[in-house]
Amino acid sequence: GNSVTQMEGPVTLSEEAFLTINCTYTATGYPSLFWYVQYPGEGLQLLLKATKADDKGSNKGFEATYRKETTSFHLEKGSVQVSDSAVYFCASMDSNYQLIWGAGTKLIIKP
Amino acid sequence: NAGVMQNPRHLVRRRGQEARLRCSPMKGHSHVYWYRQLPEEGLKFMVYLQKENIIDESGMPKERFSAEFPKEGPSILRIQQVVRGDSAAYFCASSPGTGNFNEQFFGPGTRLTVL
Repeated sequence: GNSVTQMEGPVTLSEEAFLTINCTYTATGYPSLFWYVQYPGEGLQLLLKATKADDKGSNKGFEATYRKETTSFHLEKGSVQVSDSAVYFCASMDSNYQLIWGAGTKLIIKP
Repeated sequence: NAGVMQNPRHLVRRRGQEARLRCSPMKGHSHVYWYRQLPEEGLKFMVYLQKENIIDESGMPKERFSAEFPKEGPSILRIQQVVRGDSAAYFCASSPGTGNFNEQFFGPGTRLTVL
């Protein structure tokens, strides 16, 4: 079946460091891909998405590019802030509604 | 516009009791999804409902679990005779429709602890 694998955490960085969280997927077709973020004590929020190959999703300084050849959707940010500390989830959309999730990556940013 | 509401936020039950988790979708949304997150794991799809209909319950355990989304009122996820393995965070999401362009909006989750 379809699956999503993402980098294990926690990932600990200093403020202003460059961030990469790896995500790869397996799918029979060409799913839409998503990054969700969960801040402490809150629900999941959509961070960005891409619906077809070579699309780049971006939001709040975060970016991810849908790479069909490597079946990847890595999350990047050029300069992280303490407020970016959260758990990040990569997901693919199976059929028209079922989200398939990675295990989540906890990000800790130190001042 | 209020977001997806879930209550309670935390629920403690003893083995054998029943757990009822409620989800009120965003205004105007008629599609509801339930996901479960076991400790140290990602979310897993459980069920997809529209008003008064279960569309896909392929992720629901065959026994003890049921879900409904009545014409009036919130969606309910019901777990009968809870066991310790049911301890998890249960997330509800809603959307105005389905497909790639219908974002699922998530509630804050209900954290169920079974003693």
